[in-house]
Order: sequence, then structure tokens, then C-alpha cells
Amino acid sequence: DTGVSQNPRHKITKRGQNVTFRCDPISEHNRLYWYRQTLGQGPEFLTYFQNEAQLEKSRLLSDRFSAERPKGSFSTLEIQRTEQGDSAMYLCASSSLAGGPYEQFFGPGTRLTVL
Amino acid sequence: SQQGEEDPQALSIQEGENATMNCSYKTSINNLQWYRQNSGRGLVHLILIRSNEREKHSGRLRVTLDTSKKSSSLLITASRAADTASYFCATEAGSSNTGKLIFGQGTTLQVKP
Repeated sequence: DTGVSQNPRHKITKRGQNVTFRCDPISEHNRLYWYRQTLGQGPEFLTYFQNEAQLEKSRLLSDRFSAERPKGSFSTLEIQRTEQGDSAMYLCASSSLAGGPYEQFFGPGTRLTVL
Repeated sequence: SQQGEEDPQALSIQEGENATMNCSYKTSINNLQWYRQNSGRGLVHLILIRSNEREKHSGRLRVTLDTSKKSSSLLITASRAADTASYFCATEAGSSNTGKLIFGQGTTLQVKP
């Protein structure tokens, strides 16, 4: 399967713990996006990368959140000192810069539950 | 923050009927996209309409865009039980070249067999 993959699919953690999620985009895609979705809502933009550069970060993203894309391929999203309010589905998407406008291809998401 | 508002929030129809969902947005856009999400899963891209287009078709889907009213509609014709899902509109801001999408809250569609 050459689509976007995310690991783990589910994560249950206790408040105060750190968690890290991984996203593997479609291999030739330059852009990678992270979104967060809570129950009954649409996805909300968190941050995006063009190759290895993080070009935009949502003002809603607290300092406890950090994302990397070290070699312009896979990306990780880390949440430090998790809070119950961080419980959500974290979605990753990728797109190509070729052509445009740009359809985004989404992964299956990582569902985080903070107890 | 959510840019789009979708209407209705929930829709229940019989198989074979048409389903229409509406989306309104606030700022100028480069394009508007519709996505489908099956329960608890990732999003699947359905169709993209550019800001200079007024109507687009893809199979049983028809999308219209009215930039003067800042609104779009998605029509699914001859619905099937497999169309049961949540549908989201998403806009890429006109001032942006990031591809960043702003999503609406979605319409939950149930198609009864």
C-alpha cells in the first residue's frame, strides 16, 4: 500500500506522560500536514512541512507540541506532558507540489486518549 | 478555528434519493474541496473546485461554487448505503500558498437501505 500511514493507530496514556506519533507520507510528496480532530468537529490545522522545513504552525498549538520531519520523508509529532484536552484524532496528510491546486491524501489517523 | 459552516449537520435519506449538503465560508479562497470520512477513519478526497469554476461533476457527485455568496453545495445523486459517512468542505485561503485547509464542521449523512 503506497498511501499515507500513521503509527500507532491508537494510543492510551496517562496525563502528564509524553507521546510521539509517526507519519509516513506518500514517497514523492513534498508537503506534509498535521491536523487534529475532536469528536463531531472537522479537522483543525496544526502545522505543515515543505520537505524538511516547518513553514507554519497554528497559533492554537501550545509549546507542549513539537513536530519534525528530519529528512523530508517521515514526520513525528510529540506531545509533552499530555492533558485530557489533548484527547483527539491526530491526522496526517501529504500532497505534491507538482501541478496544483493540491489534493491532500490523509492517513488513517492516530486516536489519542489521555486518562 | 473553523472557517466553514455546513448545513444540515445531519441528513437521513432512503437509498436511491439525492442528498444535498451546503457549505459557507468567510474569506476569499483559492479552491474548495469536499472530503468524506467514514466512522473513525481518515478522510478521502472527493472533488476540488477552483475559485474561478462554478460547477464540477465527478461520477454521482456534483459540486457548485458561488464565490459572491461564499457558498458551495455538494449533491450526491442516486445515493447508496455505502455513501453513509460524514462529509466535510475545506477551503484553501486565497492569500495562502501553503495548501493549508480550513474545514467545516461536517454533515453526517445516513443512507437507509
